[in-house]
Amino acid sequence: DAKTTQPTSMDCAEGRAANLPCNHSTISGNEYVYWYRQIHSQGPQYIIHGLKNNETNEMASLIITEDRKSSTLILPHATLRDTAVYYCIVRVHGSSNTGKLIFGQGTTLQVKP
Amino acid sequence: GAVVSQHPSWVICKSGTSVKIECRSLDFQATTMFWYRQFPKQSLMLMATSNEGSKATYEQGVEKDKFLINHASLTLSTLTVTSAHPEDSSFYICSAREGEQYFGPGTRLTVL
Repeated sequence: DAKTTQPTSMDCAEGRAANLPCNHSTISGNEYVYWYRQIHSQGPQYIIHGLKNNETNEMASLIITEDRKSSTLILPHATLRDTAVYYCIVRVHGSSNTGKLIFGQGTTLQVKP
Repeated sequence: GAVVSQHPSWVICKSGTSVKIECRSLDFQATTMFWYRQFPKQSLMLMATSNEGSKATYEQGVEKDKFLINHASLTLSTLTVTSAHPEDSSFYICSAREGEQYFGPGTRLTVL
């Protein structure tokens, strides 16, 4: 699976949009971009995933560049409860495959009042 | 989303004893489950992939005789830490896949 690069930490003001970048320049054509987050002392929580089109759900939006070498996770109105470590992971999609989720160091997002 | 539970949520044991951690998919069947370990201020490290009805596949450097994994049904996988020592103290997290991969809340193991 391709490797990802994320900033170590970011701050965001409560109520503002949080934009978390991720570089995945070696991504393969059949690899999806996944985002998970981990709030302190809890298991990771799935946020969103995408292949090449932008995606949006009730939690966040995912913007993937046309060349697919980078992406941005957007939390439109960050709250204090969004403070967590955010992981960007690339892997092959589908329940029938054995693609594993390999976690990097992630970005620690601190939402401040 | 799908729900994955773990039991116990925390456990303290004496050095040399064995500890079993259960991972259950509550509202779906999971052919594949995964076990991770996380040390303080570090990321999750994949330990092994557990497939129902077959032997687990361990990541490089993980001792299969120390970390016994059993995936006897489509909703239950267990991790047994045998002869636990203080260095095995960690946060153990399981996950199960139904399309996407969903994680349990984790089990905090402290070995005295």
